[in-house]
Amino acid sequence: AQRVTQPEKLLSVFKGAPVELKCNYSYSGSPELFWYVQYSRQRLQLLLRHISRESIKGFTADLNKGETSFHLKKPFAQEEDSAMYYCALSYTGGFKTIFGAGTRLFVKA
Amino acid sequence: ETGVTQTPRHLVMGMTNKKSLKCEQHLGHNAMYWYKQSAKKPLELMFVYSLEERVENNSVPSRFSPECPNSSHLFLHLHTLQPEDSALYLCASSQDRSGFTGELFFGEGSRLTVL
Repeated sequence: AQRVTQPEKLLSVFKGAPVELKCNYSYSGSPELFWYVQYSRQRLQLLLRHISRESIKGFTADLNKGETSFHLKKPFAQEEDSAMYYCALSYTGGFKTIFGAGTRLFVKA
Repeated sequence: ETGVTQTPRHLVMGMTNKKSLKCEQHLGHNAMYWYKQSAKKPLELMFVYSLEERVENNSVPSRFSPECPNSSHLFLHLHTLQPEDSALYLCASSQDRSGFTGELFFGEGSRLTVL
């Protein structure tokens, strides 16, 4: 069965420190991977997707098919990055997006 | 209005009440979804409608009944709910391509409290 695992419920870092939010998935085919973010009092929204290979708000994520991982990274965390981050997976014929449990990132001043 | 709008934003109901949640999308998408978000569990997919046809029902109790009259509107009818059904119910839409979901656009959610 398809599954998305985010091992950390909470990640706390200091401002300016590097941050990495881990995501592992299980799917035998070719999935599309996403990172969604939910800032305080805002709706859940897309941060980035692996096929676009973009850097959004300084965040990047690389799909590693060998390790079935899609970790989210930022070299220098900012206070405004504090939010809930969800890794998600979808696939052709699936008609759905499967979400991980989420990681709350807290960036301290 | 643009994007995905949900009403009501907050709802308190007794276990014997019947109420409905409404979702409307103004994005021209062909697929709509109901997700449940609670403190104890990750985002749970409840229902998926693609081209107004239900294609996924993740073993949701029958006290939740979805309705998709057209590609822009989605309802979740609620009756004889339990206190454990209290949660944030999120509606989302996407442009489905051959069963591939793509980016989801979420509403702000309807916060449901069952007394």
